[in-house]
Amino acid sequence: AQKVTQAQTEISVVEKEDVTLDCVYETRDTTYYLFWYKQPPSGELVFLIRRNSFDEQNEISGRYSWNFQKSTSSFNFTITASQVVDSAVYFCALSEEETSGSRLTFGEGTQLTVNP
Amino acid sequence: DTAVSQTPKYLVTQMGNDKSIKCEQNLGHDTMYWYKQDSKKFLKIMFSYNNKELIINETVPNRFSPKSPDKAHLNLHINSLELGDSAVYFCASSQVVRGLASTGELFFGEGSRLTVL
Repeated sequence: AQKVTQAQTEISVVEKEDVTLDCVYETRDTTYYLFWYKQPPSGELVFLIRRNSFDEQNEISGRYSWNFQKSTSSFNFTITASQVVDSAVYFCALSEEETSGSRLTFGEGTQLTVNP
Repeated sequence: DTAVSQTPKYLVTQMGNDKSIKCEQNLGHDTMYWYKQDSKKFLKIMFSYNNKELIINETVPNRFSPKSPDKAHLNLHINSLELGDSAVYFCASSQVVRGLASTGELFFGEGSRLTVL
């Protein structure tokens, strides 16, 4: 069975600080996909990134970066120079490859609060 | 145009009532889902349909019945509502590439907040 653990329930930082959100996953499949979604206070779920299990390259997108390490089954997310608008709940998720759809298993989410 | 749209966005009702939430996607995807987000923000899959066929049915009370009239629509009907059904229900869709498995990226609707009094 697949499982995603986000050990940090809440994180509070001051604007311009860097912050890393941890994500550890469990799966028996060799092919799988990892995701991060953002849920701002308005409630919608915003897709941030997808990474497949064969691509361990780290990725950077503006102030966001992701560190995928298969050896430790982790897919951590770093926000550099955080801003108040980054305040949201962030979900890490895992999908195993299925032929007719996919089942996303979500972590419990990390509530990030960025204070001015 | 909204890619995945759900109605209603808010629903307040009494225990014991029956209610429906509708979902439509205009992305041309062939797979649609219902997820439930509880008061602790935990997201869990309930159902998935691929081309109108039910493919994922998690352990959900049979008071919940999804219906997919076509691949662009997936509705959720709930009978005999209970207090514990209060949650935000998210519809989502994804595309399965023919001959390959889905890469899993889900596009979510804005959610429907159901409050049972």
